[in-house]
Amino acid sequence: KAGVTQTPRYLIKTRGQQVTLSCSPISGHRSVSWYQQTPGQGLQFLFEYFSETQRNKGNFPGRFSGRQFSNSRSEMNVSTLELGDSALYLCASSYADPAEAFFGQGTRLTVV
Amino acid sequence: QQPVQSPQAVILREGEDAVINCSSSKALYSVHWYRQKHGEAPVFLMILLKGGEQKGHEKISASFNEKKQQSSLYLTASQLSYSGTYFCGTEERGSNYKLTFGKGTLLTVNP
Repeated sequence: KAGVTQTPRYLIKTRGQQVTLSCSPISGHRSVSWYQQTPGQGLQFLFEYFSETQRNKGNFPGRFSGRQFSNSRSEMNVSTLELGDSALYLCASSYADPAEAFFGQGTRLTVV
Repeated sequence: QQPVQSPQAVILREGEDAVINCSSSKALYSVHWYRQKHGEAPVFLMILLKGGEQKGHEKISASFNEKKQQSSLYLTASQLSYSGTYFCGTEERGSNYKLTFGKGTLLTVNP
């Protein structure tokens, strides 16, 4: 059974640019959550999607957005990148809620 | 509201026990525990749903005091493989599908 796949693994972007990250959940999982991980703040919840609907979101500015497709794959977009957006972005999929969540390896975003 | 984990770090010798605590100021629906090794993705350990209920995972168990909004993770007879950062994630009542993680507890097990 394939795990959660995130692409790309690494990204370097310039301030002001925008970026799109992709997450393919485990087959059969319809819930996808996104987290930002930084050394100082730990894992911070961005948003959660289920069957193409955003069911909850964290306290991030509107520059952070996401969507989910009919095949449960999800993307998150960050516009007008700032240096502080540099972080590891993790997505996790689960079959139900509350349930075990499976994390991907993450996308390491560096903003210069 | 981010749960508070304590201690922030702990160093053990192989075979020793440890307790990691997780406390929230909000009424909780569930508590989730994960372990993350350096450079790897977090891995699920267990979920606790009911007050006072204990769950087990090999020599790792946990409790959830629903009235106090507190959870504790117990690691007994620690092994080298237990090293990593432990995160508790809390799901507040009425705030479904949103898991809020603590800042983590770094556990180091030495030979």
